[in-house]
Amino acid sequence: DIQMTQSPASLSASLGETVTIECRASEDIYNGLAWYQQKPGKSPQLLIYNANSLHTGVPSRFSGSGSGTQYSLKINSLQSEDVASYFCQQYYDYPFTFGSGTKLEIK
Amino acid sequence: EVQLQESGPGLVKPSQSLSLTCSVTGYSITSNYWGWIRKFPGNKMEWIGHISYSGSTSYNPSLKSRISITRDTSKNQFFLQLNSVTTEDTATYYCARVVPGSFYFDYWGQGVMVTVSS
Repeated sequence: DIQMTQSPASLSASLGETVTIECRASEDIYNGLAWYQQKPGKSPQLLIYNANSLHTGVPSRFSGSGSGTQYSLKINSLQSEDVASYFCQQYYDYPFTFGSGTKLEIK
Repeated sequence: EVQLQESGPGLVKPSQSLSLTCSVTGYSITSNYWGWIRKFPGNKMEWIGHISYSGSTSYNPSLKSRISITRDTSKNQFFLQLNSVTTEDTATYYCARVVPGSFYFDYWGQGVMVTVSS
């Protein structure tokens, strides 16, 4: 199975800041990566697919980048509604696997 | 708009079977793929498996001997059965629409928490 190592586990930042969350795959996943946001008590919401494509309706302050084994999610101009957990998922190969999640809080 | 809603018992006894239903509105399950994912206490997430628009299935090898995903197209529902459950199967179970060919999840249900306990 492809292991997804996500960091950091938690993150505290101020409103208006830029934050970056990273996922490292145990092998090349050829941009087969999605990022999701899960707010407390809610279902996960797709943010990014194919490593860098913004899902419909997702604010442009979210962006994804990376290639090979290293990928990142960047949130520009952090807003209060961005408080959530974020996690990555590789879908390059079966079984599809997830990162361990990052909990984002406002400082 | 696509909406998914999980339903099923919140408590299952060890060694019994867990059966969940995902009801889909706003989209036919004879299009796309439809999957199950679970989130354990402590937040680890696991892909369980999916069923295609034609009814073919793919399962996580770690669960393959215990699971079955089926569907009822007349009701626009698909189902998860997990046999011989243990306390390790305690989790929140989500159903989701799968983007075919890419296999990420673009719409998710609210999730149903299932506890395995005697």
